[in-house]
Amino acid sequence: GENVEQHPSTLSVQEGDSAVIKCTYSDSASNYFPWYKQELGKGPQLIIDIRSNVGEKKDQRIAVTLNKTAKHFSLHITETQPEDSAVYFCAAISTGGGNKLTFGTGTQLKVEL
Amino acid sequence: GAVVSQHPSWVICKSGTSVKIECRSLDFQATTMFWYRQFPKQSLMLMATSNEGSKATYEQGVEKDKFLINHASLTLSTLTVTSAHPEDSSFYICSGGLAGTDTQYFGPGTRLTVL
Repeated sequence: GENVEQHPSTLSVQEGDSAVIKCTYSDSASNYFPWYKQELGKGPQLIIDIRSNVGEKKDQRIAVTLNKTAKHFSLHITETQPEDSAVYFCAAISTGGGNKLTFGTGTQLKVEL
Repeated sequence: GAVVSQHPSWVICKSGTSVKIECRSLDFQATTMFWYRQFPKQSLMLMATSNEGSKATYEQGVEKDKFLINHASLTLSTLTVTSAHPEDSSFYICSGGLAGTDTQYFGPGTRLTVL
C-alpha cells in the first residue's frame, strides 16, 4: 500500500517569512495529493490539492509543487501570518486504492510575531 | 466548499456502554463516507469506508463488530462504538466524498472519552 512521509514534524517561522513542508510517497500509481490544515480540536480543512498531471498549483499565499519522478510534493506558504499556525497534513490517493487517503504524519507550524 | 457536520461534538460515557456518532453531508450527496480515528498528536488513521446502501469495508486491525457503521442515505452515516472501553477514547472524524471525484471533505470531529 501507499506510504507517505512528511517533514519536518515541527516548523517555527517568523511572521512574514515563508514556510515549506515536504512529503514523499511510495506508490507511483498515486495521482491525487491534497493538503489539509487542522486547528486544535477541529477536523482537517482542505487548503489546496494537486493532481499528477500538474507540476505546480497556486492559490494566493499557498502553493503546492509535485515531482512525479522523485515522488515528492511540497507545500509552500508565503508571507506567513499567526493564523497560519496549525498542523498541516499531506495525503495521497492511489488509483488502485479505492479513493482511500493515506496521510503523512503532520507538521506543527508555528508562526511567531 | 462542501460542508460535513458531526454530532455530537464531544461525548463522555462509561465503560461498557455504546455510543453513536452521526456524520451528515449538508449540501452535497456523499456517495462514499470515510471514518477516521486520531489519537493526540498523531495523524488520521482510516478505520472504514462506507458506500450508501452497502456494508462498510474495514481497514486491517479494525474490529467490525465493535465499530458498527451504517450508511443508510447519501447524506448520513453513523458510527456506533459498542461496549466502549477507555482505550477507545479518541477523536473520531468522518469525511464525505463527492461522486466521481477524489476530494474528501471532513467533518469537525467528535471527541469520545470513555471513563
